[in-house]
Amino acid sequence: AQSVTQLGSHVSVSEGALVLLRCNYSSSVPPYLFWYVQYPNQGLQLLLKYTTGATLVKGINGFEAEFKKSETSFHLTKPSAHMSDAAEYFCAVRGSARQLTFGSGTQLTVLP
Amino acid sequence: DSGVTQTPKHLITATGQRVTLRCSPRSGDLSVYWYQQSLDQGLQFLIQYYNGEERAKGNILERFSAQQFPDLHSELNLSSLELGDSALYFCASSVGTGTTNEKLFFGSGTQLSVL
Repeated sequence: AQSVTQLGSHVSVSEGALVLLRCNYSSSVPPYLFWYVQYPNQGLQLLLKYTTGATLVKGINGFEAEFKKSETSFHLTKPSAHMSDAAEYFCAVRGSARQLTFGSGTQLTVLP
Repeated sequence: DSGVTQTPKHLITATGQRVTLRCSPRSGDLSVYWYQQSLDQGLQFLIQYYNGEERAKGNILERFSAQQFPDLHSELNLSSLELGDSALYFCASSVGTGTTNEKLFFGSGTQLSVL
């Protein structure tokens, strides 16, 4: 079985502040982990993914995430938020099941 | 632009009706996936087709069915619609069978409103 829990359905940060979006996963096998972003009226776009190897993964638009097996976490961070980062972010896992299982999403608001 | 095309963008219908959602995958992609995004259930995997054959099945209701045609476009058929079927339906595609690290490309979705 596999599942994803995203802590915080809404996160607000000021422009220029650190962005931290939390994701914890459950998987019976070594997981493959993904972060997707959804801008208003658009589909999901892949930000980054962890498969194997280096646990710190860099993605597009300055985002990165660190796979921590001991904490079963894959939190998404960005050092300095930009107004254009406002969107909904989804963490996803692909473990024993073939299909991606998504978290419930975190809506990021960036305040001027 | 992901290269995945979904039509229509919006669909308004009544309870008990039947609708068809259409998806054209990216050129060269053989897999098509359908997802349902609703406020209460989040983003749920429905079904995957690979090169015309059903590959994986998720939380798809019996009232729903899908198929992938020889030209690789896919249709999701929703029948006996209920108010709770109102949701954003996404299609995604990938090159292969959906191996563990394969990237999915998502369309912009079809917003279904059942009144």
